[in-house]
Amino acid sequence: KNEVEQSPQNLTAQEGEFITINCSYSVGISALHWLQQHPGGGIVSLFMLSSGKKKHGRLIATINIQEKHSSLHITASHPRDSAVYICAVRKSGMADKLIFGTGTRLQVFP
Amino acid sequence: GAVVSQHPSRVICKSGTSVKIECRSLDFQATTMFWYRQFPKQSLMLMATSNEGSKATYEQGVEKDKFLINHASLTLSTLTVTSAHPEDSSFYICSAPLSWWSTDTQYFGPGTRLTVL
Repeated sequence: KNEVEQSPQNLTAQEGEFITINCSYSVGISALHWLQQHPGGGIVSLFMLSSGKKKHGRLIATINIQEKHSSLHITASHPRDSAVYICAVRKSGMADKLIFGTGTRLQVFP
Repeated sequence: GAVVSQHPSRVICKSGTSVKIECRSLDFQATTMFWYRQFPKQSLMLMATSNEGSKATYEQGVEKDKFLINHASLTLSTLTVTSAHPEDSSFYICSAPLSWWSTDTQYFGPGTRLTVL
């Protein structure tokens, strides 16, 4: 079993819909990252969380350390949000390494 | 914002040749850089941690003699795939943390797509 699991694997939505992507992990962590990978391959770091909630524009990320779960929400989704969203965790005591989830492929249709 | 570049963005080579991929931090110094590999429709897998001025740390299962890493300066790390074979065809990505004491903020390069014929 992967140490970082994401759901769903694939997600389609109509423009304007509210989207939630989930990430569960089975190890102790010091931080969790949400990343966005566009079709060309480039990766953008969206959030780094160690507790609570962060918001940036239409994106909201939450984390529940006790439940070992994080969610990424996209409000008022747009076709340009279409990408692969990746959850990555930094294991406690392993300061440098990120462990990646398998990603959620999101397609938003106009 | 901080930028990490990679060169080349795409390379096609014949089996048996060596390919060098560069990762540069453009406006910050990176004592540590990370090299990842991503096969189609799979997630990123950490290959190695590149340390400026010292040997790289390789993940289990990654051949250090095949994937040579050099981190000769604070802004440049190179990954050389030696004697490349078709199974080495993949998307190679580097990343660098913004500060040496914390890897919280990671900047990713745009990736290099390697195709070995």
